[in-house]
Amino acid sequence: DAGVIQSPRHEVTEMGQEVTLRCKPISGHDYLFWYRQTMMRGLELLIYFNNNVPIDDSGMPEDRFSAKMPNASFSTLKIQPSEPRDSAVYFCASSLWDGVYQPQHFGDGTRLSIL
Amino acid sequence: KNQVEQSPQSLIILEGKNCTLQCNYTVSPFSNLRWYKQDTGRGPVSLTIMTFSENTKSNGRYTATLDADTKQSSLHITASQLSDSASYICVVDSGGGADGLTFGKGTHLIIQP
Repeated sequence: DAGVIQSPRHEVTEMGQEVTLRCKPISGHDYLFWYRQTMMRGLELLIYFNNNVPIDDSGMPEDRFSAKMPNASFSTLKIQPSEPRDSAVYFCASSLWDGVYQPQHFGDGTRLSIL
Repeated sequence: KNQVEQSPQSLIILEGKNCTLQCNYTVSPFSNLRWYKQDTGRGPVSLTIMTFSENTKSNGRYTATLDADTKQSSLHITASQLSDSASYICVVDSGGGADGLTFGKGTHLIIQP
């Protein structure tokens, strides 16, 4: 089974530019999560979806961040305009709720550098 | 405020030795506790999930323990291998959705040959 697939793996861009991160969850999973990881703050939940519907976006730092899930197999996280403090590794994860606690399956992340 | 504290922050041990990583939490209510392993440049991978009623759970050479009374968990690695070099992240779930997850900052483990 293919795991969670994220693209691109690395992104370097100048501040002010729009950045779009992409995620393909594991087929059949009904939850999708976007996280940000930095050395200082560790893993932080940004937003999560259930059956393509955003459930909680309270972790999204600012209006510059937006996320969409147009269908069960694709999600995007967009930053517009980007700032140097957005530099971090962004992870997408998916999971399945079947009545017992299931782990989240993470992609390998997008390492984002804003110059 | 819900918090998860992990210790030590970093640890270096020789290959073949055992080690124990600690996780203390103040999360309430409590639903389950998870340990993840994160290799450099990769996403976290689940090792164990323990609910309130479980005291111990093993995954190969990894054994997690949970004391819900003292709000402590440990991850014991037996006969360490070079491939165990990674960050180990403790996550406590208070239930009620993904926003109920509280993440520790991890322990960075280095196994030396």
